[in-house]
Amino acid sequence: GEDVEQSLFLSVREGDSSVINCTYTDSSSTYLYWYKQEPGAGLQLLTYIFSNMDMKQDQRLTVLLNKKDKHLSLRIADTQTGDSAIYFCADLPNQAGTALIFGKGTTLSVSS
Amino acid sequence: GAGVSQSPSNKVTEKGKDVELRCDPISGHTALYWYRQSLGQGLEFLIYFQGNSAPDKSGLPSDRFSAERTGGSVSTLTIQRTQQEDSAVYLCASSFRHQSPLHFGNGTRLTVT
Repeated sequence: GEDVEQSLFLSVREGDSSVINCTYTDSSSTYLYWYKQEPGAGLQLLTYIFSNMDMKQDQRLTVLLNKKDKHLSLRIADTQTGDSAIYFCADLPNQAGTALIFGKGTTLSVSS
Repeated sequence: GAGVSQSPSNKVTEKGKDVELRCDPISGHTALYWYRQSLGQGLEFLIYFQGNSAPDKSGLPSDRFSAERTGGSVSTLTIQRTQQEDSAVYLCASSFRHQSPLHFGNGTRLTVT
């Protein structure tokens, strides 16, 4: 089946940029998503990118998509302690009736 | 507006008992999903409802798990004869339609003792 892989941990200092990487295997992806999960909460949609785009910017967030290499990244500029959370990459295959496939999540730790 | 609501937020049950978890999706959302989140395992897809179509049950881990969605709105996930390995956070999500972004509830934390 299709798979999504992420590194498990990332540690940065406040004010630095964070880059969270994700690779996926599905060649028919339509949308790729980034979700954020804070402790004890559900998943919050951060941003998403359509598969025919290679970049999307939304305030401090920049998403880069390399469709040839099936690589997705999320860059957070000027990282703050409030950005500490688990970040999930998710792939939506282009098949009717198929649900999102999630990676295991990257825990971002921001130190002051 | 109201988001996805799940109840209960926490459930402790004894091994062998049945449990029911409830999800109220966002009004007007045609698609509803159940995922399970275990420590260190990421999100595991369980079941997906889309409108009046037959649900995609391909992620249900065993026949002890079942789900229904009544009237295209509220959904109930039932786990029969619970086992300790069923302990996890069960997350429900809804979307306006297939391929729209998913909106998640805060989950039900199930603990089987």
